[in-house]
Amino acid sequence: DTAVSQTPKYLVTQMGNDKSIKCEQNLGHDTMYWYKQDSKKFLKIMFSYNNKELIINETVPNRFSPKSPDKAHLNLHINSLELGDSAVYFCASSQRSGNTIYFGEGSWLTVV
Amino acid sequence: GENVEQHPSTLSVQEGDSAVIKCTYSDSASNYFPWYKQELGKRPQLIIDIRSNVGEKKDQRIAVTLNKTAKHFSLHITETQPEDSAVYFCAASIGLGDSNYQLIWGAGTKLIIKP
Repeated sequence: DTAVSQTPKYLVTQMGNDKSIKCEQNLGHDTMYWYKQDSKKFLKIMFSYNNKELIINETVPNRFSPKSPDKAHLNLHINSLELGDSAVYFCASSQRSGNTIYFGEGSWLTVV
Repeated sequence: GENVEQHPSTLSVQEGDSAVIKCTYSDSASNYFPWYKQELGKRPQLIIDIRSNVGEKKDQRIAVTLNKTAKHFSLHITETQPEDSAVYFCAASIGLGDSNYQLIWGAGTKLIIKP
């Protein structure tokens, strides 16, 4: 059973398009995250939700919009994709914020 | 803002030798320090963690030590094996207020085990 699952795993799209990445966790956790990992491998927090409430909203272009319909789901929508958005996006969850984080397998986004 | 510094950025050791990766943190209130291993093309996975009420924790060939006074913690891997080759990340928790916390991540260490 996959604990944190995200789809799609691979996404190749053209500049200017709008795309979404979906994430679901079945661990019963109350906190979910989106991380971006670029080619330099640095893990950058983008957003965090605790019990569906946004608690972390880092300096991210407003083309990125998270949505948490319930505690088990956190989706990421990206408008007007740019070349610099190419990266691996990891969804993650934890029981209470700042605790052990469990990552999904990642979504490899390539903007051409 | 709060930060975590991780050194070295790349570490190459002979198979069978030990490897040590060090992190320093800035928030004296940090109380949770996990270490993650990320193999090529895979997700980061927790390998060991330590809380501020403990000075050392061991799990087979890996150990983590914490020096709260100096605000640094280290990952020790003994008898390294080829499968230890990966990128390792340290992190430290900081308080955001309203009982919320955030992990601040180090920049990662690429560990290379030479046969």
